[in-house]
Amino acid sequence: KNEVEQSPQNLTAQEGEFITINCSYSVGISALHWLQQHPGGGIVSLFMLSSGKKKHGRLIATINIQEKHSSLHITASHPRDSAVYICAVSRVGSNYQLIWGAGTKLIIKP
Amino acid sequence: NAGVTQTPKFRILKIGQSMTLQCTQDMNHNYMYWYRQDPGMGLKLIYYSVGAGITDKGEVPNGYNVSRSTTEDFPLRLELAAPSQTSVYFCASRRLAGAWRETQYFGPGTRLLVL
Repeated sequence: KNEVEQSPQNLTAQEGEFITINCSYSVGISALHWLQQHPGGGIVSLFMLSSGKKKHGRLIATINIQEKHSSLHITASHPRDSAVYICAVSRVGSNYQLIWGAGTKLIIKP
Repeated sequence: NAGVTQTPKFRILKIGQSMTLQCTQDMNHNYMYWYRQDPGMGLKLIYYSVGAGITDKGEVPNGYNVSRSTTEDFPLRLELAAPSQTSVYFCASRRLAGAWRETQYFGPGTRLLVL
């Protein structure tokens, strides 16, 4: 079993819908990251979380340390949000390396 | 700032050939990383460096070598290319040591095909 699991693997929705992508992990972490990989391949960091909730524009990330679970939400989704969203965690005691989820491919249809 | 740049963007290699993937960052970051991403899979760490002259292996180092002679440059060397090394390679950098308080910055990637 992977140490970082994302669900769903693929998600197709209509423009305007509220989107939720989930990330569960099985190791102790010092931080959790959400990243976005565009269809062209470029990777951009969205959030780094160690507790609670963060918001940036239409993106919201939450984390529940006790349940070892994080969610990424997109409000009022738009076709330009179509991308692969990746969850990664930094394990406690291992500052150099991230453990990566396989990603969720999101397609927003107009 | 250009951020993290990688060259080439795409390369086809024959089995047994060698090549160097270049990575340069202009943000004066200490930490640099090489990842590979296979289709439908998460990123795998190949090598990382915590500063000039210091490198260490990641999860999947076999078949690769790195060097870090300057803060800016972190080239990845493939010796005796194999089809299993067909992948997209990403270089990344980060500023601070410690508990991952800072964002990682990624290069645009190098797509490598070994035939």
